[in-house]
Amino acid sequence: GENVEQHPSTLSVQEGDSAVIKCTYSDSASNYFPWYKQELGKRPQLIIDIRSNVGEKKDQRIAVTLNKTAKHFSLHITETQPEDSAVYFCAASISTGTASKLTFGTGTRLQVTL
Amino acid sequence: NAGVTQTPKFRILKIGQSMTLQCTQDMNHNYMYWYRQDPGMGLKLIYYSVGAGITDKGEVPNGYNVSRSTTEDFPLRLELAAPSQTSVYFCASSYTFGSGTRLTVV
Repeated sequence: GENVEQHPSTLSVQEGDSAVIKCTYSDSASNYFPWYKQELGKRPQLIIDIRSNVGEKKDQRIAVTLNKTAKHFSLHITETQPEDSAVYFCAASISTGTASKLTFGTGTRLQVTL
Repeated sequence: NAGVTQTPKFRILKIGQSMTLQCTQDMNHNYMYWYRQDPGMGLKLIYYSVGAGITDKGEVPNGYNVSRSTTEDFPLRLELAAPSQTSVYFCASSYTFGSGTRLTVV
C-alpha cells in the first residue's frame, strides 16, 4: 500500500519567515495530495490540495508543489503569522473523481514565534 | 448544511463496556472514514466505506465494527472497550472531517 513520509516533525520559524514542509509518497499511481492544518484540540481542516496533472498551486500565502518523477510534494507558507502555528499533515491518495482512501504523513508541528 | 456531525463529543467508558460513535453527513458523499488520533500522533484509518452497504478495514480495525445502511450514516461500534482505545476519533466524509469524539477508557 501507499506510504507517506513527512519531514520535519517539528519546525520553528520567526514571524514573517517562510516555512517549508516536505512529503514523499511511494505509490506512483497516487494522484491527489491534500494538506490539512490541525489546531490544538480541533479537527483537521483541508487548506490546499493538488492533483497530479498540476505542478504547483497557490492560495494567498500558501502554495503546494508536486514533483511526480521524484514522488514528493511540499507545502510552502510565506510571511508566517502566529495563527499559522498548528500541526500540518500531508496525505496522498488514488482519487477516482469523488474521493478515495487517504494515507497521511505523520505530521509537522509548526511553531511561529514573535 | 451541517457537514459532518459526530456525537458524542466526549465519553468515558469502563473497561469491557461497549458504545457506538455516531457520524452523519449531509453532503451526499459516498466515501466515509473513521480515524483515530492518539495524543501527539497522526491519523490512523480504522474503517472506511465507499457507499451504502460497503465497508472495508483500514490499518487498525481490531476491536471495532462499522455499518453503512444509508449514505448519510456511518456509525463506529466499540465492543469490549480497552484502555488502548483511549483516543480521539474522527469521522470524515470525503475530505471533510467531523469535530471528533474524545474517548477515555478507564
